[in-house]
Amino acid sequence: GAGVSQSPSNKVTEKGKDVELRCDPISGHTALYWYRQRLGQGLEFLIYFQGNSAPDKSGLPSDRFSAERTGESVSTLTIQRTQQEDSAVYLCASSLEFYYNEQFFGPGTRLTVL
Amino acid sequence: AQSVTQPDIHITVSEGASLELRCNYSYGATPYLFWYVQSPGQGLQLLLKYFSGDTLVQGIKGFEAEFKRSQSSFNLRKPSVHWSDAAEYFCAVGAYNNNDMRFGAGTRLTVKP
Repeated sequence: GAGVSQSPSNKVTEKGKDVELRCDPISGHTALYWYRQRLGQGLEFLIYFQGNSAPDKSGLPSDRFSAERTGESVSTLTIQRTQQEDSAVYLCASSLEFYYNEQFFGPGTRLTVL
Repeated sequence: AQSVTQPDIHITVSEGASLELRCNYSYGATPYLFWYVQSPGQGLQLLLKYFSGDTLVQGIKGFEAEFKRSQSSFNLRKPSVHWSDAAEYFCAVGAYNNNDMRFGAGTRLTVKP
Protein backbone atom coordinates (compact mmCIF):
# COMPACT_ATOMS: atom_id res chain seq x y z
CA GLY A 1 0.00 0.00 0.00
CA ALA A 2 0.93 3.66 -0.15
CA GLY A 3 3.26 5.10 2.43
CA VAL A 4 2.94 8.28 4.41
CA SER A 5 2.53 11.27 2.15
CA GLN A 6 3.05 14.93 2.94
CA SER A 7 2.22 18.08 1.06
CA PRO A 8 3.54 20.40 -0.05
CA SER A 9 7.06 19.05 -0.42
CA ASN A 10 8.44 22.57 -0.32
CA LYS A 11 6.95 25.78 1.01
CA VAL A 12 8.47 29.23 0.89
CA THR A 13 6.64 31.92 2.80
CA GLU A 14 7.18 35.39 4.10
CA LYS A 15 7.65 36.15 7.75
CA GLY A 16 4.31 36.75 9.44
CA LYS A 17 2.24 34.61 7.09
CA ASP A 18 0.37 31.48 8.17
CA VAL A 19 1.17 28.08 6.66
CA GLU A 20 -0.61 24.76 6.68
CA LEU A 21 1.16 21.45 6.21
CA ARG A 22 -0.66 18.24 5.43
CA CYS A 23 0.02 14.61 6.31
CA ASP A 24 -1.74 11.51 4.99
CA PRO A 25 -0.84 8.52 7.16
CA ILE A 26 -0.85 4.90 6.14
CA SER A 27 -4.39 3.54 6.16
CA GLY A 28 -5.14 1.73 9.40
CA HIS A 29 -2.42 3.46 11.40
CA THR A 30 -4.02 4.95 14.47
CA ALA A 31 -0.94 6.79 15.76
CA LEU A 32 0.42 9.89 14.05
CA TYR A 33 3.39 12.06 14.96
CA TRP A 34 4.74 15.40 13.79
CA TYR A 35 8.44 16.21 14.14
CA ARG A 36 10.58 19.18 13.21
CA GLN A 37 14.10 18.75 11.86
CA ARG A 38 16.22 21.85 11.74
CA LEU A 39 19.26 21.87 9.49
CA GLY A 40 21.99 19.66 10.93
CA GLN A 41 19.94 18.68 13.92
CA GLY A 42 17.94 15.70 15.09
CA LEU A 43 14.20 15.32 15.09
CA GLU A 44 12.23 17.37 17.57
CA PHE A 45 8.93 15.90 18.73
CA LEU A 46 5.99 18.26 18.22
CA ILE A 47 2.69 16.46 18.68
CA TYR A 48 1.18 12.96 18.84
CA PHE A 49 -2.29 11.72 17.93
CA GLN A 50 -3.61 8.32 18.97
CA GLY A 51 -7.05 7.34 17.77
CA ASN A 52 -9.75 9.48 19.33
CA SER A 53 -7.74 10.32 22.43
CA ALA A 54 -6.74 13.87 23.21
CA PRO A 55 -3.50 14.66 21.40
CA ASP A 56 -0.20 15.00 23.23
CA LYS A 57 0.79 18.58 22.45
CA SER A 58 3.69 18.75 24.86
CA GLY A 59 6.27 19.29 22.11
CA LEU A 60 4.68 22.27 20.40
CA PRO A 61 7.20 25.13 20.75
CA SER A 62 4.71 27.97 20.99
CA ASP A 63 1.02 28.81 20.69
CA ARG A 64 1.64 29.73 17.05
CA PHE A 65 1.76 26.00 16.35
CA SER A 66 -1.35 23.86 16.24
CA ALA A 67 -2.39 20.59 14.67
CA GLU A 68 -5.57 18.73 13.94
CA ARG A 69 -6.42 15.26 12.87
CA THR A 70 -9.69 14.05 11.41
CA GLY A 71 -10.41 10.70 13.02
CA GLU A 72 -7.63 8.35 12.03
CA SER A 73 -6.84 10.00 8.73
CA VAL A 74 -5.41 13.26 7.52
CA SER A 75 -3.59 15.62 9.83
CA THR A 76 -2.72 19.28 9.32
CA LEU A 77 -0.03 21.23 11.11
CA THR A 78 -0.63 24.97 11.13
CA ILE A 79 1.98 27.58 11.93
CA GLN A 80 0.63 31.08 12.43
CA ARG A 81 2.64 34.27 12.01
CA THR A 82 5.68 32.36 10.81
CA GLN A 83 9.14 33.38 11.99
CA GLN A 84 12.50 32.70 10.40
CA GLU A 85 13.35 30.22 13.14
CA ASP A 86 10.41 28.10 11.95
CA SER A 87 12.41 27.23 8.84
CA ALA A 88 12.95 23.46 8.96
CA VAL A 89 11.80 20.17 7.53
CA TYR A 90 8.56 19.04 9.10
CA LEU A 91 8.20 15.28 9.21
CA CYS A 92 5.10 13.23 9.79
CA ALA A 93 5.10 9.59 10.88
CA SER A 94 2.41 7.03 11.50
CA SER A 95 2.34 3.66 13.23
CA LEU A 96 0.00 0.96 14.42
CA GLU A 97 -1.32 2.03 17.81
CA PHE A 98 1.65 3.10 19.87
CA TYR A 99 4.93 4.66 18.88
CA TYR A 100 6.97 1.68 19.92
CA ASN A 101 5.66 -0.04 16.90
CA GLU A 102 7.70 0.94 13.86
CA GLN A 103 7.05 4.48 12.77
CA PHE A 104 6.78 5.04 9.05
CA PHE A 105 7.94 8.48 8.02
CA GLY A 106 6.80 10.69 5.20
CA PRO A 107 9.25 12.56 2.96
CA GLY A 108 8.74 15.79 4.86
CA THR A 109 7.82 19.35 4.01
CA ARG A 110 10.72 21.79 3.75
CA LEU A 111 9.55 25.14 5.07
CA THR A 112 11.55 28.27 4.35
CA VAL A 113 10.51 31.52 6.00
CA LEU A 114 12.03 34.58 4.36
CA ALA B 1 12.39 13.21 30.34
CA GLN B 2 14.64 10.98 28.36
CA SER B 3 17.44 12.25 26.12
CA VAL B 4 19.99 10.85 23.72
CA THR B 5 23.46 11.89 22.61
CA GLN B 6 25.28 10.88 19.49
CA PRO B 7 28.87 12.01 20.09
CA ASP B 8 30.04 11.69 16.50
CA ILE B 9 28.68 14.20 14.02
CA HIS B 10 30.47 12.73 11.02
CA ILE B 11 32.28 9.43 10.47
CA THR B 12 34.17 8.26 7.41
CA VAL B 13 34.98 4.61 6.84
CA SER B 14 36.33 2.66 3.90
CA GLU B 15 34.08 0.26 2.09
CA GLY B 16 34.43 -3.19 3.61
CA ALA B 17 35.61 -1.85 6.96
CA SER B 18 33.71 -2.33 10.18
CA LEU B 19 31.49 0.38 11.62
CA GLU B 20 30.39 1.43 15.07
CA LEU B 21 28.14 4.42 15.68
CA ARG B 22 27.80 5.55 19.26
CA CYS B 23 24.63 6.38 21.11
CA ASN B 24 24.26 7.29 24.77
CA TYR B 25 20.93 7.81 26.43
CA SER B 26 19.65 9.28 29.65
CA TYR B 27 16.60 7.78 31.30
CA GLY B 28 15.86 6.51 34.78
CA ALA B 29 14.16 3.26 33.83
CA THR B 30 14.49 0.77 31.02
CA PRO B 31 14.31 2.74 27.80
CA TYR B 32 12.93 1.87 24.43
CA LEU B 33 15.80 2.34 21.96
CA PHE B 34 15.78 2.72 18.21
CA TRP B 35 18.12 3.30 15.31
CA TYR B 36 16.80 4.96 12.17
CA VAL B 37 18.59 5.66 8.90
CA GLN B 38 17.89 8.62 6.62
CA SER B 39 19.31 8.18 3.14
CA PRO B 40 19.72 11.20 0.86
CA GLY B 41 16.37 12.26 -0.51
CA GLN B 42 14.53 9.53 1.37
CA GLY B 43 12.51 9.30 4.52
CA LEU B 44 13.64 7.76 7.77
CA GLN B 45 13.65 3.99 7.98
CA LEU B 46 13.79 1.87 11.11
CA LEU B 47 16.92 -0.27 11.32
CA LEU B 48 16.26 -1.96 14.65
CA LYS B 49 14.76 -1.47 18.08
CA TYR B 50 15.21 -2.69 21.64
CA PHE B 51 12.49 -2.99 24.26
CA SER B 52 13.56 -5.88 26.49
CA GLY B 53 15.17 -9.30 26.46
CA ASP B 54 18.32 -10.11 24.55
CA THR B 55 20.58 -7.07 24.66
CA LEU B 56 22.04 -7.78 21.22
CA VAL B 57 19.51 -6.79 18.60
CA GLN B 58 19.67 -7.69 14.94
CA GLY B 59 18.26 -5.35 12.35
CA ILE B 60 17.89 -4.94 8.65
CA LYS B 61 20.73 -4.45 6.17
CA GLY B 62 23.17 -6.41 8.34
CA PHE B 63 23.14 -3.96 11.25
CA GLU B 64 23.11 -4.88 14.91
CA ALA B 65 23.10 -2.94 18.16
CA GLU B 66 23.91 -3.82 21.73
CA PHE B 67 22.15 -2.38 24.76
CA LYS B 68 24.54 -1.85 27.65
CA ARG B 69 22.69 -0.63 30.72
CA SER B 70 25.86 -0.05 32.72
CA GLN B 71 27.14 2.34 30.06
CA SER B 72 23.74 3.79 29.07
CA SER B 73 24.66 2.99 25.50
CA PHE B 74 23.08 1.50 22.42
CA ASN B 75 25.82 1.45 19.79
CA LEU B 76 25.13 0.44 16.23
CA ARG B 77 27.53 -1.89 14.46
CA LYS B 78 28.08 -3.43 11.08
CA PRO B 79 30.97 -5.79 10.29
CA SER B 80 31.47 -4.70 6.68
CA VAL B 81 30.19 -1.40 5.33
CA HIS B 82 28.84 -1.04 1.80
CA TRP B 83 28.86 2.17 -0.23
CA SER B 84 25.05 2.19 -0.04
CA ASP B 85 25.25 2.58 3.74
CA ALA B 86 26.27 6.21 3.34
CA ALA B 87 23.48 8.10 5.10
CA GLU B 88 22.49 9.90 8.28
CA TYR B 89 21.88 7.67 11.29
CA PHE B 90 19.67 8.64 14.19
CA CYS B 91 19.44 7.03 17.58
CA ALA B 92 16.19 7.55 19.47
CA VAL B 93 14.95 6.80 22.97
CA GLY B 94 11.42 6.43 24.19
CA ALA B 95 9.82 5.69 27.52
CA TYR B 96 6.91 3.54 28.62
CA ASN B 97 5.11 6.40 30.34
CA ASN B 98 5.09 9.09 27.70
CA ASN B 99 4.75 9.51 23.98
CA ASP B 100 7.78 11.72 23.60
CA MET B 101 10.42 9.93 21.59
CA ARG B 102 13.71 11.85 21.63
CA PHE B 103 16.10 11.69 18.72
CA GLY B 104 19.82 12.36 18.72
CA ALA B 105 21.36 14.94 16.43
CA GLY B 106 22.45 12.23 14.04
CA THR B 107 25.73 10.86 12.71
CA ARG B 108 26.54 11.32 9.06
CA LEU B 109 28.32 8.32 7.58
CA THR B 110 30.56 8.70 4.54
CA VAL B 111 31.87 5.57 2.85
CA LYS B 112 35.15 5.80 0.93
CA PRO B 113 35.65 3.51 -2.06
